[in-house]
Amino acid sequence: KAGVTQTPRYLIKTRGQQVTLSCSPISGHRSVSWYQQTPGQGLQFLFEYFSETQRNKGNFPGRFSGRQFSNSRSEMNVSTLELGDSALYLCASSPIDRGYETEAFFGQGTRLTVV
Amino acid sequence: GNSVTQMEGPVTLSEEAFLTINCTYTATGYPSLFWYVQYPGEGLQLLLKATKADDKGSNKGFEATYRKETTSFHLEKGSVQVSDSAVYFCALSDKIEDDKIIFGKGTRLHILP
Repeated sequence: KAGVTQTPRYLIKTRGQQVTLSCSPISGHRSVSWYQQTPGQGLQFLFEYFSETQRNKGNFPGRFSGRQFSNSRSEMNVSTLELGDSALYLCASSPIDRGYETEAFFGQGTRLTVV
Repeated sequence: GNSVTQMEGPVTLSEEAFLTINCTYTATGYPSLFWYVQYPGEGLQLLLKATKADDKGSNKGFEATYRKETTSFHLEKGSVQVSDSAVYFCALSDKIEDDKIIFGKGTRLHILP
């Protein structure tokens, strides 16, 4: 069974640009979550999608958005990039109805560098 | 809101030493607790979990016991190996917080041969 796939693995963007990151969950998983990982702040929750609906949202500005498609694939978009958006963005998927007892399965992440 | 606090790193040990990484949590409900590990250049992998008080999670020689009275979930291993060098994250998930997984800041572990 293939794991969680994130593309691209690495990105370099300029301040003010926008970026779209992609995540393909494990087959059969319908919940997809996104996290931002930085050395200073650690892992911060961005949002979670389940069956194409945003179920949870973290404390990030509106420049960060996401969506989920009918095949459970998810994208996140960051507009008007700032230097502080440089981070490893991790996607995680969970089985069909992830409850609080269920772990998340992570992709390798997309390393975004804003210059 | 819920939170997880784990010991600051880096932690440096010699091979075969005993490992403890402390983790305490704050939660409004009755959370499930997890330890995840991140090897260099990789995403996070679940190491072990416990879903109720007094449960012990174990995997690959690592253990952690869910202690409700002390709100703790300390990670232990009796004899570490160089291959255990990684970043370890303590985490919780709580029904009251809509099942979001909340992570600690991570503890980097270096094992010297």
